[in-house]
Parts: sequence; C-alpha cells; structure tokens
Amino acid sequence: GQNIDQPTEMTATEGAIVQINCTYQTSGFNGLFWYQQHAGEAPTFLSYNVLDGLEEKGRFSSFLSRSKGYSYLLLKELQMKDSASYLCAPMDSNYQLIWGAGTKLIIKP
Amino acid sequence: GAVVSQHPSWVICKSGTSVKIECRSLDFQATTMFWYRQFPKQSLMLMATSNEGSKATYEQGVEKDKFLINHASLTLSTLTVTSAHPEDSSFYICSARIGGETYEQYFGPGTRLTVT
Repeated sequence: GQNIDQPTEMTATEGAIVQINCTYQTSGFNGLFWYQQHAGEAPTFLSYNVLDGLEEKGRFSSFLSRSKGYSYLLLKELQMKDSASYLCAPMDSNYQLIWGAGTKLIIKP
Repeated sequence: GAVVSQHPSWVICKSGTSVKIECRSLDFQATTMFWYRQFPKQSLMLMATSNEGSKATYEQGVEKDKFLINHASLTLSTLTVTSAHPEDSSFYICSARIGGETYEQYFGPGTRLTVT
C-alpha cells in the first residue's frame, strides 16, 4: 500500500531552526512535494524534489533520498507566521499526489 | 505566476439544491485539474482528476452523478454538487497542474460549502 509517515505535531521557537521529517512508501515514485497549509486555508506550494539531495529556497530547504524513501523540510529563522501544517506529498507512478495528515508546526515566541 | 482562483470562496445552500464551484488558472494553461475535499483536521481527499476536453476520472467512493465536473477549457474547471445534503458540507479545493516537464500543482483558495 501507499503510506506517509510524518510527526503529528512539532513545536519550535521563533528564530530557531526546525526539521520536519517524512518517510513514504508509494507505488512508483515521480518526485515529492512539500506544501504549507494554514488553518482554514488551501495548501500553498513550497518545493518539489525529483532527484536526491538538498534544494534550498530562501528560509526553506527540502531534502530527498529516494533509496531511503525519506525527505525532510528544513525551516530556518522561524517566524510566527510559519505556524501551519506542513504536508509531505510524494507522487506515485500515476503522477497522483499521495496525501497524509501533515505535521502541525507550532511556533512559540 | 501560477495563480489559481476559485469562486465562490464560501457558499451556504439549502438541502436538495445544487451548487457550482469554479476553478480558474489565471496565468497558465492547466493540462490537468484536480478536485479535493477536506474535512476539519483531516487530510486532503482527492475526489476527481480532470483533463481538458475529456471526462473526469473519479476516485473510488465518489459519486460521479452527484459531483459533476466539467473541464471546458485549459483554464477553467467546474464542480457542481447536485442535490446537496448536510453531509456534503466541507472545504472543496481545486488544484491545477502546469504540465510539460513539471508536475508542480497549485491550489486555489478553496470553497467552504455549508448545506443547511
């Protein structure tokens, strides 16, 4: 079956760094997406990794290891507005995104 | 770039009536559009995938006669919830895929439907 494993909730301090891990099992693999979703809003695109390695985009970086079925999202210089759910969504062989429940990130002052 | 709009952003309707939700890609042509539903504190649930000019592909358990999808152009897809019932109350979100060599998918802001 297809499965995504992320921590349910994480807490971090404003200005700090946090890493959100994701392990996945899919039928085939065509890359992995990270999305941010604030409560009551639709997801917004953060990153798309197809190849192994680290992709940096401003304060956010995403890492992928296809052989390990593992990805992480790294958020630096945390701001209060970063409080949201972060969704790891791998794409299967049919180019369908597989969704889990995401990680709720709480930022404290 | 890559902006997707949805209309309306929220709607309240009476049980038994139908509601149409529009999804538009504003600055790109979307080869594929997706419709999702999300209940509070739950993950996104894909309802259907639609390609311009062809019939939508519905996920298992989603009634195609109840949730009518029309993908008339590369920038517009509509979802019509027919004979709505209170259990259809949910957050409906569309997304659009740019296509080509990228599979990036961008979401509309969502439509909150309440059926009374």
